[in-house]
Amino acid sequence: RKEVEQDPGPFNVPEGATVAFNCTYSNSASQSFFWYRQDCRKEPKLLMSVYSSGNEDGRFTAQLNRASQYISLLIRDSKLSDSATYLCVVNGPAGFQKLVFGTGTRLLVSP
Amino acid sequence: SQTIHQWPATLVQPVGSPLSLECTVEGTSNPNLYWYRQAAGRGLQLLFYSVGIGQISSEVPQNLSASRPQDRQFILSSKKLLLSDSGFYLCAAWDSESYEQYFGPGTRLTVT
Repeated sequence: RKEVEQDPGPFNVPEGATVAFNCTYSNSASQSFFWYRQDCRKEPKLLMSVYSSGNEDGRFTAQLNRASQYISLLIRDSKLSDSATYLCVVNGPAGFQKLVFGTGTRLLVSP
Repeated sequence: SQTIHQWPATLVQPVGSPLSLECTVEGTSNPNLYWYRQAAGRGLQLLFYSVGIGQISSEVPQNLSASRPQDRQFILSSKKLLLSDSGFYLCAAWDSESYEQYFGPGTRLTVT
């Protein structure tokens, strides 16, 4: 089983749509969770951290379900500029400073 | 925050040639540093990480090596490149203040 699993997509949605991505992780001892965004041929950049109570940043909402070991990302009112690959990231077994990256979910927002 | 410099941006090398990729970091001192590789259409694979000068941990057996001669310098090397070494190489640093991992712009390596 992969340490972090994501649906590779692509998710094709029209502008203004709401889209949700899920991610599952295998290490129940994981403590830190993140969503990164990666544009084509660019480096990943932190989109948001994921807190146990869930957190929101503008149009983006992240939630964590420890019991089921999954993380979600909800994007509301999708923009063309949201087109990218979204990486689910979990701290690895060695501790919070060694992150494990999912292979990413590709999102394509069309006019 | 951390600012990470990597060069070159792209590189084409023949099989059997040596490799040296350099990464330098600006920001907090003694950061944890990382080298990742991303093959085409694949996820990020952690290759090496370093918690301090001269301290290198290797994640997977491979044709590559890493060194950290200075606090803010991380080097990825190979004596003889293989076709399978092609990929997008990313240097990263952990910022303990912002609790975030920052990435450099990456080097796209093609081995021919």
